[in-house]
Amino acid sequence: KNEVEQSPQNLTAQEGEFITINCSYSVGISALHWLQQHPGGGIVSLFMLSSGKKKHGRLIATINIQEKHSSLHITASHPRDSAVYICAVKNTGNQFYFGTGTSLTVIP
Amino acid sequence: EAGVAQSPRYKIIEKRQSVAFWCNPISGHATLYWYQQILGQGPKLLIQFQNNGVVDDSQLPKDRFSAERLKGVDSTLKIQPAKLEDSAVYLCASSSLQGVGEKLFFGSGTQLSVL
Repeated sequence: KNEVEQSPQNLTAQEGEFITINCSYSVGISALHWLQQHPGGGIVSLFMLSSGKKKHGRLIATINIQEKHSSLHITASHPRDSAVYICAVKNTGNQFYFGTGTSLTVIP
Repeated sequence: EAGVAQSPRYKIIEKRQSVAFWCNPISGHATLYWYQQILGQGPKLLIQFQNNGVVDDSQLPKDRFSAERLKGVDSTLKIQPAKLEDSAVYLCASSSLQGVGEKLFFGSGTQLSVL
């Protein structure tokens, strides 16, 4: 069993829809990261959070430490949001664990 | 600020051949990671350096993989000999902070195809 589980694995949405990607983890963490990976491109860090909620533009990330769960929301989705979104956690031993990613396709 | 540089971008080799990847982290970043990302999976840590010392290489297949960061700046990852299952994207990442505030910066990766 992976330390980090993401759902869904694949997601197709119409432009303008509200999107939610979920991440659950089983280890004690010091921080959780949401990453974005475009086809053929490198990985970009979107958020790093250890509690509460962060917002950047149309992206919102929340974390519930007690439930070991985080969500990434995209409001008013756009085709350029199409990418793989990866949840990664850093455990208390300073090791990173990565989820397998959620492949998002936003259709115009 | 220049990002993490990796080369080559793509590499195609036959099984049993050798291959080397290069990574130049962001200037001043003490921590450097090599990850292997197989299609459809998340990145898997191969090795972590702190300056020129190895912090974690527990998942590095040491019979065929080696990595070095001699001067604590750029790093090379080598596979010798390559197997079909080594086909993957090899990602280099660096960071300047340890602990809770650590943020990873990734290179574009090297896509390796072993035929």
